[in-house]
Amino acid sequence: KAGVTQTPRYLIKTRGQQVTLSCSPISGHRSVSWYQQTPGQGLQFLFEYFSETQRNKGNFPGRFSGRQFSNSRSEMNVSTLELGDSALYLCASSPGQGGEQYFGPGTRLTVT
Amino acid sequence: KQEVTQIPAALSVPEGENLVLNCSFTDSAIYNLQWFRQDPGKGLTSLLLIQSSQREQTSGRLNASLDKSSGRSTLYIAASQPGDSATYLCAVKGNTGFQKLVFGTGTRLLVSP
Repeated sequence: KAGVTQTPRYLIKTRGQQVTLSCSPISGHRSVSWYQQTPGQGLQFLFEYFSETQRNKGNFPGRFSGRQFSNSRSEMNVSTLELGDSALYLCASSPGQGGEQYFGPGTRLTVT
Repeated sequence: KQEVTQIPAALSVPEGENLVLNCSFTDSAIYNLQWFRQDPGKGLTSLLLIQSSQREQTSGRLNASLDKSSGRSTLYIAASQPGDSATYLCAVKGNTGFQKLVFGTGTRLLVSP
C-alpha cells in the first residue's frame, strides 16, 4: 500500500503571498490531520478532516485553512504569508477515529 | 490542557547498549499513545501504538509501556545500533473523539559505532 504523499516537498515563497499544500492519504483512510513543525514550537496541530468535514481546529489564525475532497485528499492553504510561517508541514492519515496515524514526508515551506 | 514532556532531551550511547526513553503527560484521560521516530528533515515514522487499555506493546527490539494512572510511558530500545540514531517523539490522543495528537518535544538519540 502506498504511504501518505505530500506535494510539493519544498516551497519558497515571499511574505504576503499565499500557498496551497496537498496531501493524499493512504488508500481507504478517511481521516486527515495537519501539523506544523518548527524548531521553537515543536509539532503543533492545525486541523483534522473526516469525510470532508473539519472536525477539529488548532490554535492558529484564520490565515490557515483547509479542506478535504470526496476522495479523502486534503489541501491546506496559508494566505498572507509571514516569516514565522516557515516550517515543515506534516500531514497524517488514519482509517478513522482512534486509529494509528501515519505521517507523510512533509512539505518544507520557506518564507522570505 | 494536555502537556507532554520527554526526558532526556538528548542521549548519546555506544552501540549495543540498552536504553530507555521517557514520556510523561499531565492528563491521564487519553485514548492512546503513539511513539514515532523522525530522521533529520523527514516525516514521522510510527513505531508503536498503545491503546489506553493496554500496558505494553512490542515490535522487534522496541518495547513501549504505558502507565496511564501515573501519566507515564517508556520506550525501551534493546541492543542499540547506529541506525537507531534519530529523534524519538511520543504523542497522546485524548478521549474527545478527535484525532488530534499532542506531541512531546522529543529525545534526540545518537548511537555511536
